[in-house]
Amino acid sequence: DAGVIQSPRHEVTEMGQEVTLRCKPISGHDYLFWYRQTMMRGLELLIYFNNNVPIDDSGMPEDRFSAKMPNASFSTLKIQPSEPRDSAVYFCASSRAPDDTQYFGPGTRLTVL
Amino acid sequence: QKEVEQDPGPLSVPEGAIVSLNCTYSNSAFQYFMWYRQYSRKGPELLMYTYSSGNKEDGRFTAQVDKSSKYISLFIRDSQPSDSATYLCAMSFTGGGNKLTFGTGTQLKVEL
Repeated sequence: DAGVIQSPRHEVTEMGQEVTLRCKPISGHDYLFWYRQTMMRGLELLIYFNNNVPIDDSGMPEDRFSAKMPNASFSTLKIQPSEPRDSAVYFCASSRAPDDTQYFGPGTRLTVL
Repeated sequence: QKEVEQDPGPLSVPEGAIVSLNCTYSNSAFQYFMWYRQYSRKGPELLMYTYSSGNKEDGRFTAQVDKSSKYISLFIRDSQPSDSATYLCAMSFTGGGNKLTFGTGTQLKVEL
């Protein structure tokens, strides 16, 4: 299996622009998680889905952030408008079941100028 | 105060040393405890998984949980340069998945 796939790997954008991050979970995994990692705050859960349905979005920092999962093999995290403080590495992870191991993708390094 | 505290390091040790990595936490409801290893520019990968208090050993790695002190540890014996990475502790209320709470990670460098 190819593992969790994320794109792009790097994104540099200017403040105010819309940013879309993409994730393809491991086939057969029913849970998908979006995390953000910064030096100051570490790895934080933003939102997670079960069978394409958002279950908990309490970690989404602001209304500027939104996430969708239109089907079992694709999810997006969108930031509109982006701000410099959104600069971080964004990880997607998936798991087969709630008690199962979460497998992380390689991350998207976002820089907002 | 953060729910999970972890010394960020960096921690530098010579090859072959025993390494001790630690986390403290404040929420006594945490029941499942994990250690993830993250190489530079990569995603975290699960290293060890334990439930409640006690020890668990896997090769050169030993995970220890002391719920009474709200303290968990990861020991690495005979450390190797390939162990150089950031180690993140994580914990949850349910098993494994769902809403992991991570420490900020400890950066470890094992020198030749």
